[in-house]
Amino acid sequence: QKEVEQNSGPLSVPEGAIASLNCTYSDRVSQSFFWYRQYSGKSPELIMSIYSNGDKEDGRFTAQLNKASQYVSLLIRDSQPSDSATYLCAVNAPGYSTLTFGKGTMLLVSP
Amino acid sequence: SAVISQKPSRDICQRGTSLTIQCQVDSQVTMMFWYRQQPGQSLTLIATANQGSEATYESGFVIDKFPISRPNLTFSTLTVSNMSPEDSSIYLCSVWGRGNQETQYFGPGTRLLVL
Repeated sequence: QKEVEQNSGPLSVPEGAIASLNCTYSDRVSQSFFWYRQYSGKSPELIMSIYSNGDKEDGRFTAQLNKASQYVSLLIRDSQPSDSATYLCAVNAPGYSTLTFGKGTMLLVSP
Repeated sequence: SAVISQKPSRDICQRGTSLTIQCQVDSQVTMMFWYRQQPGQSLTLIATANQGSEATYESGFVIDKFPISRPNLTFSTLTVSNMSPEDSSIYLCSVWGRGNQETQYFGPGTRLLVL
């Protein structure tokens, strides 16, 4: 059974700080990894994807993947109050028709 | 990406009644997924709807409670039957999208409150 684990939080950071969100997954053959952001009362929206070991940067966001450790992370630099949301880690493995989602980490950025 | 719309966006219903939620996608897709997200919880997959065949339900979800229709490749409905307060959730439709990032995209959701 595939599992994706995230710390539920909340993770509280001051405005301007770096927020670090972590995720581990159980299925070693997983190939695609995604971070979604979900504001309260809204649906999840994709913010980052990563497929290869290493870092991938997009603006203030950096996704990091370590397949050997089965670990994915999302760094948010210069955190803003508007980044306050729940961040869902999702994993795709061959043979599965849907992503497997973690329970999400709530991020709170205080002004 | 895929553009997904859902109707209604929200509703307040009495226990014992049923509500049908519609999901429309702007492109033809093979599979459409229905999720439930209870307050403060993560996403739970209810079922996968394939055009021309019966929906496939996840453990804990049954067709009598959540009947699904999939009449064509761009549309699906989910009915929440004989509702109870425990059915109060956000119901989300999702499809795989292509382009730069092949991943799942979500509709705006239907917020259901059962009294």
